[in-house]
Amino acid sequence: GDSVTQMEGPVTLSEEAFLTINCTYTATGYPSLFWYVQYPGEGLQLLLKATKADDKGSNKGFEATYRKETTSFHLEKGSVQVSDSAVYFCALKGGRGGSNYKLTFGKGTLLTVNP
Amino acid sequence: GAVVSQHPSRVICKSGTSVKIECRSLDFQATTMFWYRQFPKKSLMLMATSNEGSKATYEQGVEKDKFLINHASLTLSTLTVTSAHPEDSSFYICSAQSGGRNTGELFFGEGSRLTVL
Repeated sequence: GDSVTQMEGPVTLSEEAFLTINCTYTATGYPSLFWYVQYPGEGLQLLLKATKADDKGSNKGFEATYRKETTSFHLEKGSVQVSDSAVYFCALKGGRGGSNYKLTFGKGTLLTVNP
Repeated sequence: GAVVSQHPSRVICKSGTSVKIECRSLDFQATTMFWYRQFPKKSLMLMATSNEGSKATYEQGVEKDKFLINHASLTLSTLTVTSAHPEDSSFYICSAQSGGRNTGELFFGEGSRLTVL
């Protein structure tokens, strides 16, 4: 079946540092890929997505590129802020090992940004 | 944007009692809602898919008689943990899908933390 592996946290950075959170996936077919963010005390929110190979999703300064050759969807941000502190989840939907509407999540990576 | 609300956000109960968690889509109709369970340092695990007006579809290994799901209207799904035990303590999250089944975006509730004493 489908699976998502993302880097274990926690990740602690200083403000304005560069962020990378690695995410790789296993799926048959052509899944859509997502990054969700969970701020403290809140539900998950969609951060960005990409639906086909070489697509780049971007939002709020975050970017991730769908790399089919390396089955990866790494999340990056050039300069993090304290307000980016949250848990980040990589997810996929639509691989043939899953179903068209179910999301398969990675374990989540806790990011803490210090001033 | 679309909002999904869960209630209660925290609940503590005694072992052997039942607890109901509500999930509401506040500004859209959701024919499909999903219930997840999140363990510490673990991913979200899909428990079941809730379809309005029909029986829920449970994932393998999830006891349907223990985790009762009812989706009585297009804006409300409930999860009832029956005869709760300490091992049921967890963070339960619902999500609701707007739009089409394959293309609609998923919106998540804030989660409900259940502690069984």
